Amino acid sequence: GAVVSQHPSWVICKSGTSVKIECRSLDFQATTMFWYRQFPKQSLMLMATSNEGSKATYEQGVEKDKFLINHASLTLSTLTVTSAHPEDSSFYICSARVSDRERVNEQFFGPGTRLTVL
Amino acid sequence: GQNIDQPTEMTATEGAIVQINCTYQTSGFNGLFWYQQHAGEAPTFLSYNVLDGLEEKGRFSSFLSRSKGYSYLLLKELQMKDSASYLCAVMDSNYQLIWGAGTKLIIKP
Repeated sequence: GAVVSQHPSWVICKSGTSVKIECRSLDFQATTMFWYRQFPKQSLMLMATSNEGSKATYEQGVEKDKFLINHASLTLSTLTVTSAHPEDSSFYICSARVSDRERVNEQFFGPGTRLTVL
Repeated sequence: GQNIDQPTEMTATEGAIVQINCTYQTSGFNGLFWYQQHAGEAPTFLSYNVLDGLEEKGRFSSFLSRSKGYSYLLLKELQMKDSASYLCAVMDSNYQLIWGAGTKLIIKP
Protein backbone atom coordinates (compact mmCIF):
# COMPACT_ATOMS: atom_id res chain seq x y z
CA GLY A 1 0.00 0.00 0.00
CA ALA A 2 0.82 3.72 -0.02
CA VAL A 3 1.83 4.06 -3.65
CA VAL A 4 2.33 7.47 -5.21
CA SER A 5 2.53 7.91 -8.95
CA GLN A 6 3.77 10.83 -10.99
CA HIS A 7 3.17 11.68 -14.60
CA PRO A 8 5.04 12.27 -16.81
CA SER A 9 8.29 10.58 -15.81
CA TRP A 10 10.26 12.93 -17.99
CA VAL A 11 9.49 15.87 -20.22
CA ILE A 12 11.46 18.01 -22.61
CA CYS A 13 9.98 21.34 -23.59
CA LYS A 14 10.89 24.60 -25.24
CA SER A 15 11.59 27.71 -23.26
CA GLY A 16 8.44 29.73 -22.62
CA THR A 17 6.02 26.82 -22.59
CA SER A 18 4.12 25.51 -19.57
CA VAL A 19 4.40 22.00 -18.19
CA LYS A 20 1.95 20.21 -15.92
CA ILE A 21 3.05 17.41 -13.59
CA GLU A 22 0.51 15.18 -11.89
CA CYS A 23 0.92 13.46 -8.55
CA ARG A 24 -1.55 10.77 -7.51
CA SER A 25 -1.91 8.69 -4.37
CA LEU A 26 -3.13 5.39 -5.74
CA ASP A 27 -4.35 3.45 -2.73
CA PHE A 28 -4.83 6.01 -0.01
CA GLN A 29 -6.18 9.51 0.51
CA ALA A 30 -3.65 12.24 1.07
CA THR A 31 -4.85 15.45 2.65
CA THR A 32 -1.33 16.83 2.34
CA MET A 33 1.05 16.53 -0.57
CA PHE A 34 4.47 18.06 -0.96
CA TRP A 35 6.38 19.22 -4.01
CA TYR A 36 10.16 19.06 -4.03
CA ARG A 37 12.84 20.02 -6.48
CA GLN A 38 16.24 18.40 -6.59
CA PHE A 39 19.21 19.63 -8.57
CA PRO A 40 22.04 17.23 -9.41
CA LYS A 41 24.07 16.13 -6.38
CA GLN A 42 21.97 18.25 -4.05
CA SER A 43 19.39 17.38 -1.45
CA LEU A 44 15.66 17.74 -1.78
CA MET A 45 14.34 21.28 -1.65
CA LEU A 46 10.78 21.70 -0.50
CA MET A 47 8.91 24.00 -2.86
CA ALA A 48 5.42 23.96 -1.43
CA THR A 49 2.95 22.14 0.76
CA SER A 50 -0.36 21.37 -0.85
CA ASN A 51 -3.52 20.81 1.18
CA GLU A 52 -6.64 19.44 -0.41
CA GLY A 53 -9.20 22.15 -1.05
CA SER A 54 -7.03 25.08 -0.02
CA LYS A 55 -4.21 27.18 -1.38
CA ALA A 56 -0.72 25.79 -1.33
CA THR A 57 1.86 27.13 1.10
CA TYR A 58 5.04 28.08 -0.72
CA GLU A 59 8.54 28.10 0.72
CA GLN A 60 10.52 31.29 0.75
CA GLY A 61 12.00 32.07 -2.64
CA VAL A 62 9.55 29.95 -4.62
CA GLU A 63 7.40 32.00 -6.98
CA LYS A 64 3.76 30.98 -6.57
CA ASP A 65 2.79 32.55 -9.90
CA LYS A 66 5.41 30.50 -11.69
CA PHE A 67 4.81 27.19 -9.94
CA LEU A 68 1.05 26.74 -9.81
CA ILE A 69 -0.18 24.03 -7.49
CA ASN A 70 -3.68 22.61 -7.46
CA HIS A 71 -4.86 19.98 -5.00
CA ALA A 72 -8.42 19.46 -6.13
CA SER A 73 -9.02 16.03 -4.64
CA LEU A 74 -7.66 13.77 -1.92
CA THR A 75 -5.75 11.73 -4.47
CA LEU A 76 -4.46 14.29 -6.97
CA SER A 77 -2.18 17.30 -6.85
CA THR A 78 -0.76 19.04 -9.90
CA LEU A 79 2.26 21.29 -10.34
CA THR A 80 2.33 23.54 -13.39
CA VAL A 81 5.61 25.19 -14.30
CA THR A 82 4.54 28.26 -16.26
CA SER A 83 6.73 29.91 -18.87
CA ALA A 84 9.52 27.42 -18.21
CA HIS A 85 13.13 28.47 -18.67
CA PRO A 86 16.33 26.40 -18.82
CA GLU A 87 17.07 27.16 -15.16
CA ASP A 88 13.83 25.37 -14.25
CA SER A 89 15.33 22.12 -15.53
CA SER A 90 15.40 19.83 -12.53
CA PHE A 91 14.05 16.66 -10.95
CA TYR A 92 10.60 17.37 -9.48
CA ILE A 93 9.35 14.96 -6.85
CA CYS A 94 6.03 14.87 -5.05
CA SER A 95 5.22 13.11 -1.83
CA ALA A 96 2.06 12.38 0.05
CA ARG A 97 1.73 12.18 3.78
CA VAL A 98 -0.03 9.25 5.32
CA SER A 99 -1.56 9.74 8.70
CA ASP A 100 -3.09 6.65 10.15
CA ARG A 101 -2.49 4.58 13.24
CA GLU A 102 0.30 2.52 11.77
CA ARG A 103 2.16 5.06 9.66
CA VAL A 104 1.87 8.34 11.46
CA ASN A 105 3.31 11.20 9.45
CA GLU A 106 5.12 8.93 7.02
CA GLN A 107 5.74 10.41 3.59
CA PHE A 108 5.71 8.36 0.42
CA PHE A 109 7.38 9.68 -2.66
CA GLY A 110 6.40 9.55 -6.27
CA PRO A 111 9.02 8.36 -8.78
CA GLY A 112 9.85 11.92 -9.83
CA THR A 113 9.62 13.88 -13.07
CA ARG A 114 12.73 14.98 -14.88
CA LEU A 115 12.12 18.29 -16.62
CA THR A 116 14.49 19.56 -19.28
CA VAL A 117 13.82 22.99 -20.73
CA LEU A 118 15.65 23.75 -23.96
CA GLY B 1 17.96 28.10 12.57
CA GLN B 2 17.26 24.52 11.66
CA ASN B 3 20.14 22.32 10.69
CA ILE B 4 20.74 18.69 9.76
CA ASP B 5 24.33 17.46 9.45
CA GLN B 6 25.51 14.23 7.92
CA PRO B 7 28.74 13.24 6.17
CA THR B 8 28.91 14.00 2.47
CA GLU B 9 30.37 10.70 1.38
CA MET B 10 31.41 7.37 2.86
CA THR B 11 33.08 4.30 1.40
CA ALA B 12 32.70 0.74 2.65
CA THR B 13 33.46 -2.78 1.53
CA GLU B 14 30.93 -5.37 0.38
CA GLY B 15 29.93 -7.60 3.28
CA ALA B 16 31.04 -5.11 5.91
CA ILE B 17 29.09 -2.83 8.28
CA VAL B 18 28.76 0.93 7.96
CA GLN B 19 27.26 3.54 10.27
CA ILE B 20 25.97 6.84 8.87
CA ASN B 21 25.57 9.55 11.49
CA CYS B 22 23.13 12.43 11.55
CA THR B 23 22.97 15.31 14.00
CA TYR B 24 20.17 17.81 14.06
CA GLN B 25 18.98 21.09 15.52
CA THR B 26 15.34 21.83 14.78
CA SER B 27 12.45 23.80 16.19
CA GLY B 28 10.52 20.95 17.71
CA PHE B 29 10.74 17.27 16.99
CA ASN B 30 8.13 14.89 15.64
CA GLY B 31 10.35 12.10 14.47
CA LEU B 32 13.43 11.36 12.40
CA PHE B 33 13.36 9.60 9.06
CA TRP B 34 15.97 7.85 6.97
CA TYR B 35 15.47 7.52 3.23
CA GLN B 36 17.51 5.78 0.56
CA GLN B 37 17.87 7.43 -2.83
CA HIS B 38 19.51 5.83 -5.84
CA ALA B 39 20.82 8.14 -8.53
CA GLY B 40 18.03 9.48 -10.72
CA GLU B 41 15.29 8.03 -8.56
CA ALA B 42 13.01 9.33 -5.84
CA PRO B 43 13.73 8.58 -2.17
CA THR B 44 12.36 5.43 -0.59
CA PHE B 45 11.47 5.15 3.08
CA LEU B 46 13.81 3.17 5.31
CA SER B 47 12.97 3.99 8.91
CA TYR B 48 11.20 6.28 11.36
CA ASN B 49 12.31 6.92 14.95
CA VAL B 50 10.38 9.06 17.39
CA LEU B 51 11.48 7.45 20.67
CA ASP B 52 15.04 6.93 21.89
CA GLY B 53 16.63 3.64 21.08
CA LEU B 54 17.42 1.25 18.30
CA GLU B 55 14.94 0.10 15.66
CA GLU B 56 16.03 -2.96 13.71
CA LYS B 57 14.65 -3.87 10.33
CA GLY B 58 16.53 -6.64 8.59
CA ARG B 59 20.01 -5.53 7.55
CA PHE B 60 19.19 -1.92 8.42
CA SER B 61 18.92 -0.45 11.93
CA SER B 62 18.32 3.13 13.02
CA PHE B 63 19.16 4.67 16.37
CA LEU B 64 17.91 7.87 17.98
CA SER B 65 18.99 9.94 20.96
CA ARG B 66 16.71 12.95 21.29
CA SER B 67 18.69 14.49 24.16
CA LYS B 68 21.82 14.51 21.98
CA GLY B 69 20.06 15.44 18.73
CA TYR B 70 21.69 12.42 17.15
CA SER B 71 20.77 9.47 15.00
CA TYR B 72 22.60 6.86 13.02
CA LEU B 73 21.69 4.40 10.30
CA LEU B 74 23.52 1.09 10.51
CA LEU B 75 23.81 -1.09 7.44
CA LYS B 76 25.03 -4.66 7.88
CA GLU B 77 26.21 -7.25 5.36
CA LEU B 78 26.64 -4.57 2.75
CA GLN B 79 25.69 -5.40 -0.80
CA MET B 80 26.63 -3.58 -3.98
CA LYS B 81 23.01 -2.51 -4.42
CA ASP B 82 23.30 -0.52 -1.17
CA SER B 83 25.37 2.04 -3.05
CA ALA B 84 23.10 5.09 -2.87
CA SER B 85 22.57 8.34 -1.05
CA TYR B 86 21.08 8.13 2.42
CA LEU B 87 18.99 11.07 3.52
CA CYS B 88 18.31 12.00 7.12
CA ALA B 89 15.19 14.11 7.70
CA VAL B 90 13.61 15.50 10.86
CA MET B 91 9.96 16.42 11.21
CA ASP B 92 9.73 19.70 13.10
CA SER B 93 6.97 21.13 15.29
CA ASN B 94 5.01 22.16 12.18
CA TYR B 95 5.19 18.61 10.82
CA GLN B 96 7.50 19.80 8.05
CA LEU B 97 10.40 17.60 7.02
CA ILE B 98 13.80 19.25 7.32
CA TRP B 99 16.26 17.44 5.06
CA GLY B 100 19.95 16.77 5.40
CA ALA B 101 22.09 17.02 2.28
CA GLY B 102 22.47 13.25 2.13
CA THR B 103 25.39 10.87 2.49
CA LYS B 104 26.63 9.21 -0.66
CA LEU B 105 27.62 5.64 0.21
CA ILE B 106 30.06 3.91 -2.12
CA ILE B 107 30.39 0.16 -1.79
CA LYS B 108 33.57 -1.46 -3.08
CA PRO B 109 33.94 -5.17 -3.85
